[in-house]
Amino acid sequence: AQSVTQPDIHITVSEGASLELRCNYSYGATPYLFWYVQSPGQGLQLLLKYFSGDTLVQGIKGFEAEFKRSQSSFNLRKPSVHWSDAAEYFCAVGLAGGTSYGKLTFGQGTILTVHP
Amino acid sequence: GAVVSQHPSRVICKSGTSVKIECRSLDFQATTMFWYRQFPKQSLMLMATSNEGSKATYEQGVEKDKFLINHASLTLSTLTVTSAHPEDSSFYICSARAGGGSFQETQYFGPGTRLLVL
Repeated sequence: AQSVTQPDIHITVSEGASLELRCNYSYGATPYLFWYVQSPGQGLQLLLKYFSGDTLVQGIKGFEAEFKRSQSSFNLRKPSVHWSDAAEYFCAVGLAGGTSYGKLTFGQGTILTVHP
Repeated sequence: GAVVSQHPSRVICKSGTSVKIECRSLDFQATTMFWYRQFPKQSLMLMATSNEGSKATYEQGVEKDKFLINHASLTLSTLTVTSAHPEDSSFYICSARAGGGSFQETQYFGPGTRLLVL
């Protein structure tokens, strides 16, 4: 069965510092990969997604992610974090086969705290 | 971007009562809606998928008689937790998608409903 692992439950960075959130997946076929952000009281917002093609994907709010098939990873990065980036981030893999088509499997989430 | 609302945002009920949660797509027609459940410090777990006008498809282990889903229109899906018990206390999140199934169609998520059963 497919699974998504976010090894870091909580990350703290200083404002202006770079950020990398890790995501590893286990899936038997080419995955569709997503990163979502969840702020308190708000729904999950899509940051970026990977379907195929260029393995470096650009998203909103200055985020990018790189798909590395050999490492089964899809890490999220941002060169300079802003205080408003503090939130919980979820990595997800989309299922494209059979009755599971269109469904998302989420990682456990990483809470990002930003110090001024 | 597209907006999905949920109502109520928070509900407290007594054990044995039923609770209805609404999920609405405000500015687009949602062919498919998904219902998720999120326990504290855990991931979102898909409960069921509903397509407008047809019966919902439930994930393994989810009791369809306990979690009734109705997707009667292209902008509204409801989740009813019947005879709720304390173990049903959780954060329920819906998402909506305009398209028929392609991943090119983004899922838009609601803000969630916190259910507490006493």
